[in-house]
Amino acid sequence: DIQMTQSPSSLAASVGDRVTITCRASQIVSSHLNWYQQKPGKAPRLLVYAATRLHSGVPSRFSGSGSGTDFTLTISSLQPEDFATYYCQQSFSTWTFGQGTKVEIK
Amino acid sequence: EVQLVQSGAEVKKPGESLKISCKGSGYIFTTYWIGWVRQMPGKGLEWMGIIYPGDSDTRYSPSFQGQVTFSADKSLTTAYLQWSSLKASDTAVYYCARQGYFDSYGLEHDAFDLWGQGTMVTVSS
Repeated sequence: DIQMTQSPSSLAASVGDRVTITCRASQIVSSHLNWYQQKPGKAPRLLVYAATRLHSGVPSRFSGSGSGTDFTLTISSLQPEDFATYYCQQSFSTWTFGQGTKVEIK
Repeated sequence: EVQLVQSGAEVKKPGESLKISCKGSGYIFTTYWIGWVRQMPGKGLEWMGIIYPGDSDTRYSPSFQGQVTFSADKSLTTAYLQWSSLKASDTAVYYCARQGYFDSYGLEHDAFDLWGQGTMVTVSS
């Protein structure tokens, strides 16, 4: 299986901050990398597919970058509704998720 | 409305069997893979596998192979996840999700673009 490692596991930030979450794959997944947001008690929501493409309806403050094994999700200006847990997922081979990054209020 | 609606919460005893459901509507159910994702209490997401309702082709994660069974009923536009003998460690929320197809620079990419609301399964003696 391809292992996905996210960092950090959690972070505390303030509204308006720029937030960056990284995801590393244990082997090359090309650009087959997706990002999801999950709020407590809710189903996950697709934010970014193909490493860099914003899903329909996702605010432009979210962006994804990377290819190969190293990827980044950036929130340019954190909003109150962005406090949540974020997961990366590789769809290159037998899909796997990262362990998640919880974004909390500072 | 395009949606996936899952069956309600279940409380079972160890050793019992269980089948939960995921009903799709608002799109052509037989042309999209449906995936299952486990989330144990306070933990992250785990990809269990996928089923293609058009022909019931299934792919299981090695971690879940032999532990669960996926099935689908095209006429009911419903996918199922079942256990023959539950364990306490099966306690979790289970999500179904549609595997959407996206084109990016001429290459096909897949992602879970539509999710059910989740089914909480509690296994306790």
